[in-house]
Amino acid sequence: GQNIDQPTEMTATEGAIVQINCTYQTSGFNGLFWYQQHAGEAPTFLSYNVLDGLEEKGRFSSFLSRSKGYSYLLLKELQMKDSASYLCAVREQKYGNKLVFGAGTILRVKS
Amino acid sequence: DSGVTQTPKHLITATGQRVTLRCSPRSGDLSVYWYQQSLDQGLQFLIQYYNGEERAKGNILERFSAQQFPDLHSELNLSSLELGDSALYFCASSVDPSGGLGGTYEQYFGPGTRLTVT
Repeated sequence: GQNIDQPTEMTATEGAIVQINCTYQTSGFNGLFWYQQHAGEAPTFLSYNVLDGLEEKGRFSSFLSRSKGYSYLLLKELQMKDSASYLCAVREQKYGNKLVFGAGTILRVKS
Repeated sequence: DSGVTQTPKHLITATGQRVTLRCSPRSGDLSVYWYQQSLDQGLQFLIQYYNGEERAKGNILERFSAQQFPDLHSELNLSSLELGDSALYFCASSVDPSGGLGGTYEQYFGPGTRLTVT
């Protein structure tokens, strides 16, 4: 089975940088995804890592260390609209494209 | 707009009843996934279909069933409803070759169906 841990809540200031961590344990790893979800809305895809290292996409970056079972999502130049839940999800190799999601981290951006 | 459509948007029904949720995937996507999201459980994978065939199963109750039709739309049937079944039900779709191994194949989520069981 899988176990995915991420902080429940975080608060940061507009314009700042915030890092959301995710640790996972899995019997077979085939990629890690980050999704953003505003309250009551659908999750939207942010990033994907399958190899170790940093993937940068505009204000968002995601890092993966497979040996440590660890990933983080880095959000720069925070904006009020970044207030949302951020979901870490792991894809297990033997289950096709099935994703197992963490409980999510609620990020509150304050002015 | 992800291109995935779900109907209805809201559904209110009584315990013991049966409902059907419908999902149309993005054009060209062969895989459809169903998820349940409740306040205390987070986003839970229920089941995946690929080109009409069941591909993977999660913690789906026996009271729940799904199918994918030749036109690739999918339906999730929930029966003998209980209060605890109240949740947001999301459908997602992806491009997904037969093995699903390698590549991003990110899932695109529909707007969800909010089910309230009273």
